[in-house]
Amino acid sequence: KQEVTQIPAALSVPEGENLVLNCSFTDSAIYNLQWFRQDPGKGLTSLLLIQSSQREQTSGRLNASLDKSSGRSTLYIAASQPGDSATYLCAVGTTDSWGKLQFGAGTQVVVTP
Amino acid sequence: ETGVTQSPTHLIKTRGQQVTLRCSSQSGHNTVSWYQQALGQGPQFIFQYYREEENGRGNFPPRFSGLQFPNYSSELNVNALELDDSALYLCASSSASGSWDTQYFGPGTRLTVL
Repeated sequence: KQEVTQIPAALSVPEGENLVLNCSFTDSAIYNLQWFRQDPGKGLTSLLLIQSSQREQTSGRLNASLDKSSGRSTLYIAASQPGDSATYLCAVGTTDSWGKLQFGAGTQVVVTP
Repeated sequence: ETGVTQSPTHLIKTRGQQVTLRCSSQSGHNTVSWYQQALGQGPQFIFQYYREEENGRGNFPPRFSGLQFPNYSSELNVNALELDDSALYLCASSSASGSWDTQYFGPGTRLTVL
């Protein structure tokens, strides 16, 4: 059974510092891995999607890496801003059931001015 | 702006009642998935519909059921509500069956069961 873990559960950094968010998964047989952002009480905004054959994806200040063999993904956010404060969730697309995303519990990020 | 909408935004029900939540997928997306997110947790997969047929189901009892319509709208129905059903319910649409495509989420419906 696939399990997805995100550590730490919460993180606070001063503005301008780089953010490093970790995601680990137990089964390397994945289709893809997706990073989402969630603001309090809101839905999910897709940030980056990495296919299982890819090693990384980049969008602006965001960079996500994927190492299937070690069951890890890392989301880097460069030069953090207060507007980056949110909960970040990673989700694994599994091979055992089409369409099912297996989520971690998220990392709550606060960027202080 | 993802183009996925959900209604209502908030809902309060009492234990034992039935509820219907609605989702309008992004135009052209033939796949919709529903997720339940309890406070402080990641979303849990309920089921997926592809071209109006259920295409996968998570670990949820049969009192959770769904429908998908040709106009890209869908419904989640929950019968015999329990207190533990209180959660944020999210729908997500994508343009293909399977999880290899980006899933776009709606804003969610917050359900409170008293």
